[in-house]
Amino acid sequence: EPEVTQTPSHQVTQMGQEVILRCVPISNHLYFYWYRQILGQKVEFLVSFYNNEISEKSEIFDDQFSVERPDGSNFTLKIRSTKLEDSAMYFCASSIAVSGEQYFGPGTRLTVT
Amino acid sequence: AQSVTQPDIHITVSEGASLELRCNYSYGATPYLFWYVQSPGQGLQLLLKYFSGDTLVQGIKGFEAEFKRSQSSFNLRKPSVHWSDAAEYFCAVGLTSGTYKYIFGTGTRLKVLA
Repeated sequence: EPEVTQTPSHQVTQMGQEVILRCVPISNHLYFYWYRQILGQKVEFLVSFYNNEISEKSEIFDDQFSVERPDGSNFTLKIRSTKLEDSAMYFCASSIAVSGEQYFGPGTRLTVT
Repeated sequence: AQSVTQPDIHITVSEGASLELRCNYSYGATPYLFWYVQSPGQGLQLLLKYFSGDTLVQGIKGFEAEFKRSQSSFNLRKPSVHWSDAAEYFCAVGLTSGTYKYIFGTGTRLKVLA
């Protein structure tokens, strides 16, 4: 069964560094999402992306964040200058239709020291 | 604003006992409804989902959930809990118009006593 994959599974970075989290959505999906889960808290929506544009973003998704689909298979989340509070699990998801079921990847645990 | 409420932060049950985890949502229309389970440090595993049709939904690992429109609820049930069910459970709604993000509840941590 097709699945969403994410790399790396765990990333450790120093405060102020840039990080790029990578996702490979399911191949025929058109809608892509990033969610974040701070340790011990709920999963929160960050951004949705369709047709090479951001469809919607939350208040968490400030100027330090950006998303990109650099080629036909990858979907990336970049954090320009990481802060301690960016430490979280980041989940990528994709869906075939705008109101279709979202399929979640296994997550990337980001630790900012 | 749309929201999902899981009123129980922690639940402890004995192995073999029945389980019900509560979930209520606030949304103007009928959303898509999901239950996910998460073990510590792990990703989200989909237990079951409701899009439309029969309001009693069967999922994996012996779980079921019932959608009650009048109560805006989607409670998760299991007749007999196993020690391996100890985990955190998240209810989520998928909004069906205007925006298609998922909104998650705050989770219920389940502890199972041997």
